[in-house]
Amino acid sequence: SQQGEEDPQALSIQEGENATMNCSYKTSINNLQWYRQNSGRGLVHLILIRSNEREKHSGRLRVTLDTSKKSSSLLITASRAADTASYFCATGAGFQKLVFGTGTRLLVSP
Amino acid sequence: SAVISQKPSRDICQRGTSLTIQCQVDSQVTMMFWYRQQPGQSLTLIATANQGSEATYESGFVIDKFPISRPNLTFSTLTVSNMSPEDSSIYLCSVENRRDEQFFGPGTRLTVL
Repeated sequence: SQQGEEDPQALSIQEGENATMNCSYKTSINNLQWYRQNSGRGLVHLILIRSNEREKHSGRLRVTLDTSKKSSSLLITASRAADTASYFCATGAGFQKLVFGTGTRLLVSP
Repeated sequence: SAVISQKPSRDICQRGTSLTIQCQVDSQVTMMFWYRQQPGQSLTLIATANQGSEATYESGFVIDKFPISRPNLTFSTLTVSNMSPEDSSIYLCSVENRRDEQFFGPGTRLTVL
């Protein structure tokens, strides 16, 4: 069963704007990972944040994790048309298996 | 990160037939994972494949339908057996590094007519 719910399901913004996607989950986790998927292709790993971390940065990406609220957010700053994709969160709770969220479809218009 | 390849990249198959998907990694890994992504949906774990032992299947997936082989530490296959149109999906394999980051292959897009 899918554990993560992502919000919004779809997001449409202009180039240069920031995009924020949220992920909520139900049970305790060891880590949470974010992925990007372009047009039904393979998944690109963006960032992993561990349960004892609150915030992590990678280039234009900023991820936060609030384990008390069982939620995470992915912020993409200064978005580009090339950021158009589906974004998924995935939670790891041990035994190396990931449970994926429902995904957010991001459209960045030039 | 590991380099993962899958074959075939896509296929169109007739119902009732079977397709074997190959996953090759450029380094030795203990576990390999197989996921399914149905059209417009998120990913669901099918099974975990360990070298030298039977694969571990998730609820809703059975070995008769999705037999898996893991002959060595860099290779695995997933067979989709007795296919029906409901099996039309993208099938992805993945591996995990020592930092718990999980990386995915490019996927196999399967269409069953």
